[in-house]
Amino acid sequence: SQQGEEDPQALSIQEGENATMNCSYKTSINNLQWYRQNSGRGLVHLILIRSNEREKHSGRLRVTLDTSKKSSSLLITASRAADTASYFCATDGGYQKVTFGIGTKLQVIP
Amino acid sequence: DVKVTQSSRYLVKRTGEKVFLECVQDMDHENMFWYRQDPGLGLRLIYFSYDVKMKEKGDIPEGYSVSREKKERFSLILESASTNQTSMYLCASSLRIPSTDTQYFGPGTRLTVL
Repeated sequence: SQQGEEDPQALSIQEGENATMNCSYKTSINNLQWYRQNSGRGLVHLILIRSNEREKHSGRLRVTLDTSKKSSSLLITASRAADTASYFCATDGGYQKVTFGIGTKLQVIP
Repeated sequence: DVKVTQSSRYLVKRTGEKVFLECVQDMDHENMFWYRQDPGLGLRLIYFSYDVKMKEKGDIPEGYSVSREKKERFSLILESASTNQTSMYLCASSLRIPSTDTQYFGPGTRLTVL
């Protein structure tokens, strides 16, 4: 099954800086989603972007999708310590399934 | 707010034991899922269910079974636990198919098999 691959696997930034993480995938998709996971907890849905959309915003989050390059990026602006978490992209994994990447671990240093 | 609860946060079992992990959601969702999460491997789908008494194998069903007798409850069963099933288990639910809709996750059960 196809799996999104996040890049980088780990990222450490200072509070107030922007954080960018990327997701690449192999086959055509209908939608791509981003989720956040705080340490030792379940995942929380952040945003869904459709294949016919190029950019989407939600608060301090900005997601872009380039279907020609089969890639997406998640930008968190003006990061806060509370943004420290792992971030996963999820792509269509076949009917009724999604496939998650291995995640980017973000650390925001106060 | 959707709430997905899992029966235990931490569980320690012995090799060969039968293990039940319970998941309950309170939003009348059709779809429910069991994933396991391991470092460096991300989340992998074990089983999912799109209706009561219906189940479908995910990517790694070997060594597991599931039960969905009621819409709100989805159980994961390890018939004979083995050490390689030590992992974080996450349950999720969604109203529509997950590629088009939000999945709501429980807090996870960290299972250790000795």
